Amino acid sequence: KNEVEQSPQNLTAQEGEFITINCSYSVGISALHWLQQHPGGGIVSLFMLSSGKKKHGRLIATINIQEKHSSLHITASHPRDSAVYICAVEGETSYDKVIFGPGTSLSVIP
Amino acid sequence: DTAVSQTPKYLVTQMGNDKSIKCEQNLGHDTMYWYKQDSKKFLKIMFSYNNKELIINETVPNRFSPKSPDKAHLNLHINSLELGDSAVYFCASSQDGLAGPQHFGDGTRLSIL
Repeated sequence: KNEVEQSPQNLTAQEGEFITINCSYSVGISALHWLQQHPGGGIVSLFMLSSGKKKHGRLIATINIQEKHSSLHITASHPRDSAVYICAVEGETSYDKVIFGPGTSLSVIP
Repeated sequence: DTAVSQTPKYLVTQMGNDKSIKCEQNLGHDTMYWYKQDSKKFLKIMFSYNNKELIINETVPNRFSPKSPDKAHLNLHINSLELGDSAVYFCASSQDGLAGPQHFGDGTRLSIL
């Protein structure tokens, strides 16, 4: 069993739909990252969370430390949101290794 | 201005060769990383340097040797390349070690013939 899991693995949505991508982990963490990897391969860090909720534009990320679960929501999805979304967790000490989830491939159709 | 830049973007070479990938960041960050993304798209951390000192060294063959001449640069040298080294290698940097958001380079696609 992977220490970080994501669901769904693949997701196709119509433009305008509300999208949720889930991440669950089994280790103690100090922070969780959501990353976006574009079709060309470039990676962008979207959020870093240690508690609660963060919002940036149409993106919202939440984390529940007790349940070891995080969600990434995209409101009013757009074809340019098509990418792979990766959840990554940091261990509890400052320089523990980062563990990456397998990614969720999102396609938003016009 | 590119925040984290890696060169080259693509690298095609034969088995057994030695190659280097360079990474530079102009963000003034203290910590830099190398990640490997395999064919299944899994990202794995390989190394982390903080102010030129090695902090994280995951289980990586000795053929991989990172070198940090200063805190703005972290180069990755690979000796005796093998087929399994084919992957995309990402450099990243952050302030405050792993506690801060990471800025990634565009990746270097390494293909071994």
